[in-house]
Amino acid sequence: DIQMTQSPSSLSASVGDRVTITCRASQSINNYLNWYQQKPGKAPNLLIYAASNVQSGVPSRFSGSGSGTDFTLTVTSLQPEDFATYYCQQTDSTPQTFGGGTKVEIK
Amino acid sequence: EVQLVESGGGLVQSGGSLRLSCAASGFTFSGYWMTWVRQAPGKGLEWVANIKPDGNEIYYVGSVKGRFTISRDNAKNSLYLQMNSLRGEDTAVYYCARGGARAGRLEYWGQGTLVTASS
Repeated sequence: DIQMTQSPSSLSASVGDRVTITCRASQSINNYLNWYQQKPGKAPNLLIYAASNVQSGVPSRFSGSGSGTDFTLTVTSLQPEDFATYYCQQTDSTPQTFGGGTKVEIK
Repeated sequence: EVQLVESGGGLVQSGGSLRLSCAASGFTFSGYWMTWVRQAPGKGLEWVANIKPDGNEIYYVGSVKGRFTISRDNAKNSLYLQMNSLRGEDTAVYYCARGGARAGRLEYWGQGTLVTASS
């Protein structure tokens, strides 16, 4: 199985900050990497697919990059509604594993 | 509007069985891969299983192989997860999601249903 490692596991940031979350795969997954946002008590919400494509309806302050084994989710100018937990997921092979999550908290 | 509504969760004794359902609407169900994802209390997301549109390809995470069975009824726009020999570590909120093909994405999710396996 492909292991997905996210870092950091948590971070504290202020409104307006630029935030970067990384996701590393244990082997190459091409660009088959998705990012999801989850708020407490809610289902995850797709933000980015295929590493760098922003899902329809997602604000443009969210962006993704990377290929192969290393990927990044960036949020420019963090907004109050962005405080949540973020997960990466590879869809190159089954099981389509998720990273452990990154909790973004208010500083 | 795409809607996915899970049902069938509840409290079950360890070793018992439960069948989850996911009712889909707002899209052509028979044209999409479907996936089950779970989340244990306070933990991260875990991919559980997925199924091809025609039901002829099915994949599971190792921890549920031989115990869980994913299936679908395209005539009823429904996805199922039969869970047998339940263990405490299967306690989680179970989500159904649209998508799951290789290189794809989980674009829509249900609200989840809680399964508690207790000894």
